[in-house]
This record gives sequence, C-alpha cells and structure tokens, in this order.
Amino acid sequence: KAGVTQTPRYLIKTRGQQVTLSCSPISGHRSVSWYQQTPGQGLQFLFEYFSETQRNKGNFPGRFSGRQFSNSRSEMNVSTLELGDSALYLCASSLKASGEQFFGPGTRLTVL
Amino acid sequence: GEDVEQSLFLSVREGDSSVINCTYTDSSSTYLYWYKQEPGAGLQLLTYIFSNMDMKQDQRLTVLLNKKDKHLSLRIADTQTGDSAIYFCAETTSGTYKYIFGTGTRLKVLA
Repeated sequence: KAGVTQTPRYLIKTRGQQVTLSCSPISGHRSVSWYQQTPGQGLQFLFEYFSETQRNKGNFPGRFSGRQFSNSRSEMNVSTLELGDSALYLCASSLKASGEQFFGPGTRLTVL
Repeated sequence: GEDVEQSLFLSVREGDSSVINCTYTDSSSTYLYWYKQEPGAGLQLLTYIFSNMDMKQDQRLTVLLNKKDKHLSLRIADTQTGDSAIYFCAETTSGTYKYIFGTGTRLKVLA
C-alpha cells in the first residue's frame, strides 16, 4: 500500500507570494492533518480534516488555510508569505479519529 | 493547557540501552505515541500506548507510562548507530482530532 505522498518536496518563494501544498493520504484513510515543523518551535498542529470537514485548527493566522476533497486528498494554502513561514510542512493521515498517524516526507518551504 | 516536554539531547554508546523521557500535562490524554525522525525525512511511528496501559513491549522497544505523574518513557535496548535520530512523543485525546507533539529528543549513538 502506498504511503502518504506530498508534493512538491521543495519550494522556494518570495515574501508576499502565496503557496499551495498537496497531500495524498494512504488509500482508505479519511483523516488528514497538517503540521509545521521549525527548529525553534518544533512540530505545531495546523489543522485536521475528515470527510471534507475541518474538525480542529491550531493557533495559526488566517493566512493559513486548507481543504480536503472528496477523494480525501488535501491541500493547504499560505497567502502573503512571510520569512517566518519557512519550514517543513508535514501531512499525516489516519484511518480513524485519534488513530495512529502516518506521515509523509514533507514539503520544505523556503521564503526569501 | 496542553504541553508536552522532552529533554533535547541524549548520547549513548552502541550496545547500551537508551531511555528517552517525556512529560505531558493533559490528564485526558487517551493515546500516547513515539515517533522517530531521521534527517530529511518525515516522522515514522514506532509504537503507541493507550492511557489505560502501564507498559508495552515491542521487540527492542519498551514504553512505560506513569499516568499519575503524566510521564512517558521509551527504552531502546541494545542501541545501534541506526537508532540515531530525533524521537518525538505525542499525545491525543479522543474527540479532539488534534495531536500535541513534544519538542523532540536528539539521540546520538556513539560507536
């Protein structure tokens, strides 16, 4: 069974631009969560989706948004990029609520 | 509030046992997890324990949970150089759909 895939793996943007990251969960998994990982803050929860509904959201500004499609694939969008948004963005999927999460390799975003 | 804390670094000699500790504050935590992250990679689930358990053993890994003290530990027996990585503990509570991760412990195994 294929694992969680994230595209693109690497991305370089400039301040003020916007970016969209994509995540395809393991087949059959309906829950998708997003995290931001930085050396200073560690792993911070962004949001979680299940059957196209956002069920929980972390403490991030409204510039960070996401959505989930009917096939469980998910995207996250960051608008008006800031230097501090440079991070590894990780997506994880799970079969059920509070189940084991399986992580993708991440998308490394660099904002110049 | 929700907080999960770990020590930042641990160094052990190959063949010794490693013990990585984690403390959490949310007494309603239902599941507790240990993840491993190697350089440039995502997180790999190692093992997990339900909050109503005290111990779980899985090959070289032993997880101990002290619910009263909100303390979780991961013991790696016969530590190998391939175990060098960052280890994260995480907790979640049923119905919150949110996982809280610790700061991560960087394990260095010396040959």
